[in-house]
Amino acid sequence: EAGVTQFPSHSVIEKGQTVTLRCDPISGHDNLYWYRRVMGKEIKFLLHFVKESKQDESGMPNNRFLAERTGGTYSTLKVQPAELEDSGVYFCASSPGWNTDTQYFGPGTRLTVL
Amino acid sequence: RKEVEQDPGPFNVPEGATVAFNCTYSNSASQSFFWYRQDCRKEPKLLMSVYSSGNEDGRFTAQLNRASQYISLLIRDSKLSDSATYLCVVAPSGGYNKLIFGAGTRLAVHP
Repeated sequence: EAGVTQFPSHSVIEKGQTVTLRCDPISGHDNLYWYRRVMGKEIKFLLHFVKESKQDESGMPNNRFLAERTGGTYSTLKVQPAELEDSGVYFCASSPGWNTDTQYFGPGTRLTVL
Repeated sequence: RKEVEQDPGPFNVPEGATVAFNCTYSNSASQSFFWYRQDCRKEPKLLMSVYSSGNEDGRFTAQLNRASQYISLLIRDSKLSDSATYLCVVAPSGGYNKLIFGAGTRLAVHP
């Protein structure tokens, strides 16, 4: 069974540019989460989808971040315009949504904003 | 105050040693507890869930003390391959919810 995949693995952009990160959850997983780790800090929750609906977006830092999950399959996280403090590793995770709270993480996208 | 606090380490131990990590959490209503392992520049991977009764998986033993809001992980007979960062993770409510991560404790096992 394929795991959670994320694209790209690395992205280097300049301040003010736009970047879109993609996450493909494990097939059949209704729950999809985005997390972020900025340098020297702990991994922090950004938001949670159940199928195509946003269940919890309390961790989204500001309105420069837009997450979508059209059709309840893959998800994208767009940062527009990117700021220096957005640099970090963005992880996606998924879980089946029945009788389990184990979340399976993707390899992450390392974003560097210059 | 951070929601989940861990000693950052690093813990440098020889092979075969026993090492213990501790973690405290601030939200007394938290429902689910985990230890994740993260290798350098990799994603976090679930090591084990933590139950009130305590649980063991091979060389790893996890304990939860709800009254003290304290979680522990004991690793016996350390192997070189145990070198990693160990993340204490709490979920505010059971199932399908956001995870709250500690900053992690780094373990380095040397020959």
